[in-house]
Amino acid sequence: AQRVTQPEKLLSVFKGAPVELKCNYSYSGSPELFWYVQYSRQRLQLLLRHISRESIKGFTADLNKGETSFHLKKPFAQEEDSAMYYCALGGNKLTFGTGTQLKVEL
Amino acid sequence: DTEVTQTPKHLVMGMTNKKSLKCEQHMGHRAMYWYKQKAKKPPELMFVYSYEKLSINESVPSRFSPECPNSSLLNLHLHALQPEDSALYLCASSQASTEIYEQYFGPGTRLTVT
Repeated sequence: AQRVTQPEKLLSVFKGAPVELKCNYSYSGSPELFWYVQYSRQRLQLLLRHISRESIKGFTADLNKGETSFHLKKPFAQEEDSAMYYCALGGNKLTFGTGTQLKVEL
Repeated sequence: DTEVTQTPKHLVMGMTNKKSLKCEQHMGHRAMYWYKQKAKKPPELMFVYSYEKLSINESVPSRFSPECPNSSLLNLHLHALQPEDSALYLCASSQASTEIYEQYFGPGTRLTVT
């Protein structure tokens, strides 16, 4: 069975501080991993995916198969980064983690 | 057009009513999905349609009945719902239903069952 774990329900950081949202997964095959973001009153949207290896809005995520992790990082948090972030694993279906609410304070 | 649209935005229905949720995409995607999302929780997959055929049903009660009339449209027919079915219902689409494709989500229908 595939599973995604996001250990933090809420992460609060100050503007300009580094951010790391943790994600661990369990999957027997070769994983396809995504980060989706849901801003207040907006639809769920893709932030980035591991296969593209790109940086979106300053966020990056590296797949570590040894640690089965796909943590999301940003060196300097901005107020507009406040949102709900979901790590998701693609298999025969997309499995979401429980989400981490990121709050960036001034 | 790179959006998934859903109607209605809000729906209030009694437990004896019959209603339908609608979803539309014009991106040429061949996979479409229904999710249920409770407040502060992740989306839970309900159904997957691939090339207009139902490919996954996540043991959803029969009071929810999906329909895919064509490759652009997806409906969810509701009948005899319970108050615990109140939630945000999300539609999504992707190029195909394999794991590598990004899913595009609609804004959702906020359903309240009274």
